[in-house]
Amino acid sequence: GQSLEQPSEVTAVEGAIVQINCTYQTSGFYGLSWYQQHDGGAPTFLSYNALDGLEETGRFSSFLSRSDSYGYLLLQELQMKDSASYFCAVLYAGNMLTFGGGTRLMVKP
Amino acid sequence: DAGVTQSPTHLIKTRGQHVTLRCSPISGHKSVSWYQQVLGQGPQFIFQYYEKEERGRGNFPDRFSARQFPNYSSELNVNALLLGDSALYLCASSLRRTEAFFGQGTRLTVV
Repeated sequence: GQSLEQPSEVTAVEGAIVQINCTYQTSGFYGLSWYQQHDGGAPTFLSYNALDGLEETGRFSSFLSRSDSYGYLLLQELQMKDSASYFCAVLYAGNMLTFGGGTRLMVKP
Repeated sequence: DAGVTQSPTHLIKTRGQHVTLRCSPISGHKSVSWYQQVLGQGPQFIFQYYEKEERGRGNFPDRFSARQFPNYSSELNVNALLLGDSALYLCASSLRRTEAFFGQGTRLTVV
């Protein structure tokens, strides 16, 4: 079957760096995506890794290692507005995204 | 530019009824996908349509159906509603498969 595991909750302080891990037990996917969702809001795209390695977009970076079945999202210079749920998702044929259960990030002052 | 729009935003239905949810993709996007998100969980894939053809189907019963119109808008239909169908239903459109743009969703409550 397909499954993606993420920590359910992470807490960090403003200005810090936090890493949200995602491990998966699946294969045959195109890449690993990350989405942010604020309470009551829509998921918004953050990043996509098609290949192994690090992708950097501003304060956010994402990493994928297919050999280790592992990826992570790195958030730097945390801001209060980063408090949200973060989902990793693998992309399959047919534009099908399979999401993990999400990690609730709480940023404290 | 308008994002993905969904209607209605909220809906309350009784068990056994049917419901139709609507989605308008971002202009120029030909791919539309539907997801179900139960509170506290990640979205689950229901359907994907491209150029009016079903290209993907998730593990949902036949009570769930969808279609895409010539203007690329889409409808999700759910028949014989169950209490367990209560969820946020999300529509996403995409130009490239690597990035999906989600609407605000329709909050369906089945009582």
